[in-house]
Order: sequence, then C-alpha cells, then structure tokens
Amino acid sequence: QSALTQPPSASGSPGQSVTISCTGTSSDVGGYNYVSWYQQHPGKAPKLMIYEVNQRPSGVPDRFSGSKSGNTASLTVSGLQADDEADYYCSSYAGSNNLRVFGGGTKLTVL
Amino acid sequence: QLQLQESGPGLVKPSETLSLTCTVSGGSISSSSYYWGWIRQPPGKGLEWIGSIHYSGNTYHNPSLKSRVTISVDTSKNQFSLKLSSVTASDTAVYYCARRNSGKPYPFDYWGQGTLVTVSS
Repeated sequence: QSALTQPPSASGSPGQSVTISCTGTSSDVGGYNYVSWYQQHPGKAPKLMIYEVNQRPSGVPDRFSGSKSGNTASLTVSGLQADDEADYYCSSYAGSNNLRVFGGGTKLTVL
Repeated sequence: QLQLQESGPGLVKPSETLSLTCTVSGGSISSSSYYWGWIRQPPGKGLEWIGSIHYSGNTYHNPSLKSRVTISVDTSKNQFSLKLSSVTASDTAVYYCARRNSGKPYPFDYWGQGTLVTVSS
C-alpha cells in the first residue's frame, strides 16, 4: 500500500482538462511544499513534470500545473493531447531521514 | 548531457544479496550539489524510494528497508551502488538510479532507464 493515495485512473478527451489528486497526511503533503509529479510512459523511466507543488522544470509545457490544499495535492493537465496518456505519480518529502514517499499512480487515458 | 546507467544481475536467488551499480556519465558524482538515489518499481505497481547518498558518504534510507540496504559511492569510478540483503520475491522490481539537487528536498530530475531484477530460485 502506497503512502500517498491517488485514484487508479482518470480520463479526458483531447483538448479537455483533467485533474489528478494525491492525498497524504500532515506528515508529508500537508506539512511541506515539496510535492512533485512524475509522468511515466510504458517501459520508460519517470519524468519530472512538477516540483515544489507548482513549479515546472524547463521544457515542461505550461499545460501542466500543480496545486495543493491541506493534505491533498493536485495535478491538472489542460488541453489534453494523445501523448499525455501515461501513468502519473505524485511524491512528497516526508521529513525525518530525508524520506520520500510516492503515490500508487494514476493511469491517464486520452479518449 | 547527464546520463545514468544501472547494471547488475537480472536474477537473484531468495535470501541472497541483490547488488546493483549506477554509472554516471556527463557529470561528476563528486559534486557537492547533488544526491544520488535508488528507487524501485515492482511490476505493475508504484514507485518506492530506497535511499540516497551524497559523495561525502552521507546517506538516507527508507525506514521500511533500512536494515537490509547499503548504499555506497565510488568517486574514482563515478559510480554508486546498492546492496539489498536477504531478498524475497517481493523485492522483484525495476530498479532505477537517479539524481537530485542537494540543499532543499528537491525531487529526482535525472533517471536511469531502469533494470529489472527478479528474485527467484
């Protein structure tokens, strides 16, 4: 069982927006602004899409955005494209011992 | 361009020790600016952070694995390594090595392609 809770699946049509949630506790998501999101295509390594809740690394389209409220973080993908179809994982810093925790992943389907 | 490449046996017997090496190219593992980490992913499942190391030798481990995990660094070879002892079938996973900036709790921004390790007799 993963430390952070994500819905197993999400979907949307091309051009639409979809939001994926990531629920933790006050010891991880709620306690720090160090939530990140990764995109993983089948057979590939994860790719960093969002860090520090809402920051995008260079090269990540601004269609990807992040937010947080309390113990729940969210990733929104706007203007869905076929290549956005992938698994998405959230991750959070969890304090002592530089612990990192991950969500179980959400499979995003572009209809 | 920074590249990370995992290497090691693809098959390990139960109760034995899993050993993997990550070779870093296009950058120095001896930079004070980075931590180097291991993350694994069981087939069809989510990601699990195993631990991280700084070239100075400072290490952090996932408490759920800590007693079985050893992470070390070899600056002369620009490599870092993972040893996981007393493995069982539940340790079967794709193992990734990755880099993150030090200082703040930055995420992992560069990843290797991953290597599948199967635990089976």
